[in-house]
This record gives sequence, C-alpha cells and structure tokens, in this order.
Amino acid sequence: AQSVSQHNHHVILSEAASLELGCNYSYGGTVNLFWYVQYPGQHLQLLLKYFSGDPLVKGIKGFEAEFIKSKFSFNLRKPSVQWSDTAEYFCAVNVGSGTYKYIFGTGTRLKVLA
Amino acid sequence: NAGVTQTPKFQVLKTGQSMTLQCAQDMNHNSMYWYRQDPGMGLRLIYYSASEGTTDKGEVPNGYNVSRLNKREFSLRLESAAPSQTSVYFCASRRETGYNEQFFGPGTRLTVL
Repeated sequence: AQSVSQHNHHVILSEAASLELGCNYSYGGTVNLFWYVQYPGQHLQLLLKYFSGDPLVKGIKGFEAEFIKSKFSFNLRKPSVQWSDTAEYFCAVNVGSGTYKYIFGTGTRLKVLA
Repeated sequence: NAGVTQTPKFQVLKTGQSMTLQCAQDMNHNSMYWYRQDPGMGLRLIYYSASEGTTDKGEVPNGYNVSRLNKREFSLRLESAAPSQTSVYFCASRRETGYNEQFFGPGTRLTVL
C-alpha cells in the first residue's frame, strides 16, 4: 500500500541546533513531494516542494529538503533552528504527480527551547 | 484574496446531531478536498471533488456526505454525529498548474459528546 513514514514523532531541540526530519514514501512511480508546517492553532502552510530537477530544494524560513530517489526519501533540514520554528511538520506525497491523490505522513512535532 | 475559508471554527455536538461544515475558495481551483486530522494519524482524506459536480470517496468516508455546490464551495455534512468524529477538519483546494500544491483552510475543531 502507498504510505508516507515520518519516523520522528517528537523532536526537542535547543535554539541554534541543526534539524533533520526524516520522510520516506512507498510508491514506485512519479511523485511530487511537499513539506507543510502547522504552527500552533493555525492551518497547514506550504514550506517547500519538489517537482523535478535539482533534488535539493530550498523553501521559506531557511528550510531545505533533499530528494533521494533511490532511497524514496525527502528529508527536511535546517542548519540552525529558532524558537519560532516550534510547530508540527508534515511530509506529503502527490502520488502519480498531478493526480488527485495526496498521502500525508503522521507528522513530527518540533519543540525548540529558547 | 482570502484563499480557503471555513466555517465554523469550533463546534460542539451531541451524539446523533447533524451539521454541515462549509468551505469556500477564491482561487478558481477545480479540485477541493476534505481531510480530518487526528493526533498521531496525520491527515486522512474524507472526500474530494475533482471539479464542480463530481465527488469521490477518500480513505475515511463513512459517516460523511459532501456537496460541491459550485466551483467555489464544497461542504461536508455529518448526518448523525458520533464521538469517533471528534476531530479537526480541514478543507483544501489544489492548484492544477505548476507544483500542484494544496492550499488549506484554517480548520474546524469539532467535538462530539
């Protein structure tokens, strides 16, 4: 079955620490890949996306993600987190690239300590 | 440009009551979605609509109905609410060009007692 796995459910970091959140998906065809962020009490907002081309994509607020096709992974990174990055992060896959179907991971709650 | 709007923001129902969650988008998107978000389970698709006049079941459609009233509006109805439907409900629309990303509404927090 198609699925998206986020292995880190809760992450606690101090400010200025580096962040890497894992995302793996199971689907053998073409995909579009997304990371969404949900700040406390708010709706999901797009952080970054991968469609094609350079597998290293940069998003807003200093976030980046790398698509490794051979590993079916799309990990999110940030070199130095801030307290304001405290949020829940969701990886999502558009299965079949352009179809209706999006599969979301279960989310990772990040808490950044000031 | 409001994006995706949802009403109400909060709702408390008793078991067996009915209600309709409203969603509207002003981005001229064809595709619209309803998700529920539960702790530890991410977002699960309830129904989606590829275009005006069409709707299809998603992963967890039982207990829900939808109406795609026009291109802008996509409503979700609970005919007889159950405690298992306590959740946060998000509506989304999808851009069909470029990256096909989804745009989400602010959500409706529903509690069924």
